[in-house]
Amino acid sequence: NAGVTQTPKFRILKIGQSMTLQCTQDMNHNYMYWYRQDPGMGLKLIYYSVGAGITDKGEVPNGYNVSRSTTEDFPLRLELAAPSQTSVYFCASRSGGANVLTFGAGSRLTVL
Amino acid sequence: GQQVMQIPQYQHVQEGEDFTTYCNSSTTLSNIQWYKQRPGGHPVFLIQLVKSGEVKKQKRLTFQFGEAKKNSSLHITATQTTDVGTYFCAGPPGNTPLVFGKGTRLSVIA
Repeated sequence: NAGVTQTPKFRILKIGQSMTLQCTQDMNHNYMYWYRQDPGMGLKLIYYSVGAGITDKGEVPNGYNVSRSTTEDFPLRLELAAPSQTSVYFCASRSGGANVLTFGAGSRLTVL
Repeated sequence: GQQVMQIPQYQHVQEGEDFTTYCNSSTTLSNIQWYKQRPGGHPVFLIQLVKSGEVKKQKRLTFQFGEAKKNSSLHITATQTTDVGTYFCAGPPGNTPLVFGKGTRLSVIA
């Protein structure tokens, strides 16, 4: 099992550009999450999904969009990138029966 | 909303010294989880505590859940350089997603 796979690992964007961070999991988990982690800070929830076709906002959703068309995939879309979105983004998933999260390796995004 | 606070934010210890990080929630938790993130890595699940007053051990790591289920601690005995990283606690306020503390960054000086 690959677990949770995120692409790309690194990306540099110019202000105003858009991009999609990809996340896929092969564990058949219903629940998926996107967190961002700023330097020296904890994890802040951006969006989450409890199953295909269902998404909900987390603590810091502004400037982001998500979709969940399949159980496996949960892409995060950044529209009109801003320097404040420079961060490390983690995707995570869990099964319905447990709260324990499995994280991807992260995507480091820099907006200049 | 629920807040999870961790102290200290940073801890520098000599190799062989003990280390403790504390986690406090503004609300009662159904369970609490601990994760470790190595420098440049991603959070990795360590343990989950469910019962009031529960104590669990993993080799040199001891985890405790408070009687009121609002606080928790992680204690590492005789730290090693492999213990370096940031330790996060996280709790679920009911059925909503996990809320993470800001973490305690541990540095171990050999």
